[in-house]
Amino acid sequence: SSVLTQPPSVSVAPGKTATITCAGNDIGHKSVHWYQQKPGLAPVLVIYFDTDRPSGIPERFSGSRSGNTATLTISRVEAGDEADYYCQVWDSISNYVFGTGTKVTVL
Amino acid sequence: EVRLVESGGGLAQPGTSLRLSCAASGLTFEDYAMHWVRQVPGRGLEWVSGISWNSYSSAYADAVKGRFTISRDNAKSSLFLEMNSLRGDDTALYYCVKGEQPTLMYYFDSWGQGTLVTVSS
Repeated sequence: SSVLTQPPSVSVAPGKTATITCAGNDIGHKSVHWYQQKPGLAPVLVIYFDTDRPSGIPERFSGSRSGNTATLTISRVEAGDEADYYCQVWDSISNYVFGTGTKVTVL
Repeated sequence: EVRLVESGGGLAQPGTSLRLSCAASGLTFEDYAMHWVRQVPGRGLEWVSGISWNSYSSAYADAVKGRFTISRDNAKSSLFLEMNSLRGDDTALYYCVKGEQPTLMYYFDSWGQGTLVTVSS
């Protein structure tokens, strides 16, 4: 089954840019979706189909994909962006697979 | 606004059963696939099971296949998860989750707050 690897943690100063990667052997042929999970709360979709933002998600959140790696970028980071972030893909064999998760800490 | 409210969690002994329920509101329930996703406290997310809008298709993670059964009642906007032969590694917070398609594909766009299942003797 698919395995999606994310860095365990990312630290970033307020106002700077956070970059979270999601790597998988066969990710190149799948769409990648991203979720934000703040402590004690349910996950929230922040990026879908690699680059699209749901309504209500700030433009500071953006997604990209190159080869077998997808990237979530948070620009002009704010204290409220501190959370765990998960990537996710779907395919007809493995169904739904989540990444290992990345804890973003705002310094 | 979509609202998903889970219930039915609690303490269960290994080998026993639990039935989780999810009451949905703020959406046309019958138009969407629905799922259960679980999370061990302090750990990552794991998709458990999903069911298509018309119940014709369902799918399960290997870890629960043969033990868990997902079902839905569109007339009551409700989703269920029958959990049998429970094991310690089933201990987790179980989220009711809405798919963005009628069928089992792509991503999830609304989540409940979860119901905690603890399996322990």
